[in-house]
Amino acid sequence: VQLVESGGGVVQPGSSLRLSCVASGFTFSTYGMHWVRQAPGKGLEWVGVIWFDGSKTYYLDSVKGRFAISRDNSKKTVYLQMNNLGAGDSAVYYCARDPGSGNFFHDYYGQGTLVTVSS
Amino acid sequence: AIQLTQSPSSLSASVGDTVTITCRASQGIGSALAWYQQKPGKAPKLLIYHASNLDSGVPSRFSGSGSGTDFTLTISSLQPEDFATYYCQQFNNYPQTFGGGTKVDIK
Repeated sequence: VQLVESGGGVVQPGSSLRLSCVASGFTFSTYGMHWVRQAPGKGLEWVGVIWFDGSKTYYLDSVKGRFAISRDNSKKTVYLQMNNLGAGDSAVYYCARDPGSGNFFHDYYGQGTLVTVSS
Repeated sequence: AIQLTQSPSSLSASVGDTVTITCRASQGIGSALAWYQQKPGKAPKLLIYHASNLDSGVPSRFSGSGSGTDFTLTISSLQPEDFATYYCQQFNNYPQTFGGGTKVDIK
């Protein structure tokens, strides 16, 4: 199992960014996928999840309406579209596999991609 | 959202010690709890799921117990590679939440 995130960088407040997570080593279309973030020096914070077939998504309240998770099972890729970014969104963003449909724990994490929101 | 309170937030221990970390949920979550280990600059690693099930490849010195609102992670005979930060996570409902973490360092 391998998960590789990309797309992070330094952006200004109010900007948008799309993160990608490419999966390999397992049948991607049968697993839910989560995004989890970690601000510098802080703990882990769940951001959201997309079910294995893309039929359901759930989000942290503070990102609802600004973030959107999608997936392309043909490309074995899950995305996190982040709009109207603020300083509080600065963090390392991890994608993580759910061993079930999307309502379980996280059995594998990627290495993370750093997002810095700063003017 | 369900709040998870971990204690202690940090502890110092020696190699060979037995360490116990607790996680208390603000409401009952059955056994929908996982424990992760994270080392500096690295991604979290799953240790325990469904409160007491050891993930594949995790040493047997790690164990988990509890149900409802009170959970425990125990590390028996602490090894040098166990010095890290540990997090509990509930997956009983959304939003999933994590505890604040417990940093285990060398005494």
